[in-house]
Amino acid sequence: GDSVTQMEGPVTLSEEAFLTINCTYTATGYPSLFWYVQYPGEGLQLLLKATKADDKGSNKGFEATYRKETTSFHLEKGSVQVSDSAVYFCALRRWGTSYDKVIFGPGTSLSVIP
Amino acid sequence: DAGVTQSPTHLIKTRGQHVTLRCSPISGHKSVSWYQQVLGQGPQFIFQYYEKEERGRGNFPDRFSARQFPNYSSELNVNALLLGDSALYLCASSAGGLAYEQYFGPGTRLTVT
Repeated sequence: GDSVTQMEGPVTLSEEAFLTINCTYTATGYPSLFWYVQYPGEGLQLLLKATKADDKGSNKGFEATYRKETTSFHLEKGSVQVSDSAVYFCALRRWGTSYDKVIFGPGTSLSVIP
Repeated sequence: DAGVTQSPTHLIKTRGQHVTLRCSPISGHKSVSWYQQVLGQGPQFIFQYYEKEERGRGNFPDRFSARQFPNYSSELNVNALLLGDSALYLCASSAGGLAYEQYFGPGTRLTVT
């Protein structure tokens, strides 16, 4: 079945460091790919998305490119801030028999220290 | 415009009890999906409703049920609560179909003791 794998955390970085969180997926067909962010005690916020191969999603300095050949969607940011501390979820979404559902990875916790 | 709203925010129940969680989608959205997020894990799909009909169900026991009302709000019901049902329950709404974005609510934190 469909699944999403992402690098285990927690990840601890110093402010202004470069961030990469790896994500790979297994799915039939052509899913849409997403990164969601969850701040402590809050729900999920969509960070960025890509709907087809070679698309690059970007938002708030974060980027991820849909790589079908490697089934990957790695999240990157050039210079992290303390406010980026959160849990990041990679996810895919595709149509099933009569509905669409989002399949999430296990999440990667990021802590950015001053 | 208001986003997806869920109630209550927090809930504490005892094993064996029943619980009802509520979700109000964004105005104009006809699809509601429910997810369970156990602490330290990613959300897991429970149900999707569209136009008041169940369209999809994840791998959850029959103790979990849901419904959608004519105004497109939704309830998630869980019977015979187990300790393992303790989780954050997230509701997501969309206009329906892959072309439309899913928006998540803040969730209901359920603790079963």
